[in-house]
Amino acid sequence: EVQLVESGGGLVQPGGSLRLSCAASGFTFSAQWMDWVRQAPGKGLEWVANIKGDGSEMYYVDSVKGRFTISRDNAKNSLFLQLSSLRVEDTAVYYCSLKLDVLGQGTLVSVSS
Amino acid sequence: DIQLTQSPSSLSASVGDRVILTCRASRGMRNELAWYQQKPGKAPKRLIYGASSLDSGVPSRFSGTGSGTEFTLTISSLQPEDFATYYCLQYNSYPRTFGQGTKVEIK
Repeated sequence: EVQLVESGGGLVQPGGSLRLSCAASGFTFSAQWMDWVRQAPGKGLEWVANIKGDGSEMYYVDSVKGRFTISRDNAKNSLFLQLSSLRVEDTAVYYCSLKLDVLGQGTLVSVSS
Repeated sequence: DIQLTQSPSSLSASVGDRVILTCRASRGMRNELAWYQQKPGKAPKRLIYGASSLDSGVPSRFSGTGSGTEFTLTISSLQPEDFATYYCLQYNSYPRTFGQGTKVEIK
């Protein structure tokens, strides 16, 4: 059974940084694209970024380019999202996803002064 | 970017009703479209991929059709557990984009 468990969310001030993690199990992690999706409070879903199984390709939505970095550690079956230069509008639940097939339960990032 | 427009934004329906949700794309795609169901406080769950393929374990009352710029999700007989918000997603090109959602409420 696929399991995706996010962690690392919390309250951060504007301009601050945070690193989200996703522990994956139940599939061959190194062979799969992985994504991050977010959802602002009371709003719809927004795709954020993804990364190829070997880490050689990454794509981002324009609103986070240059501020967020997606990465992975295949030896530890883990996915990461480094969030920098955070803005109030980055406040959201961040979901880790296996190829947009399955999403984890999410971790809340709140950006506020 | 491909923009996805869902209609209606919300609807009220009764148990047993046939419900049709629409997702229109700003430019043509093949079948790289998925549908998700989200209940309050829960993660989205994919129902349909490839425009018409049902995910494992999803009841057969859900079905998807379409290609090009118009796609539909049909619930043949609405059940109490189907009241939720539904989103379409395109994975034809980057950035991946979601529709704004359709909320299905109890009449």
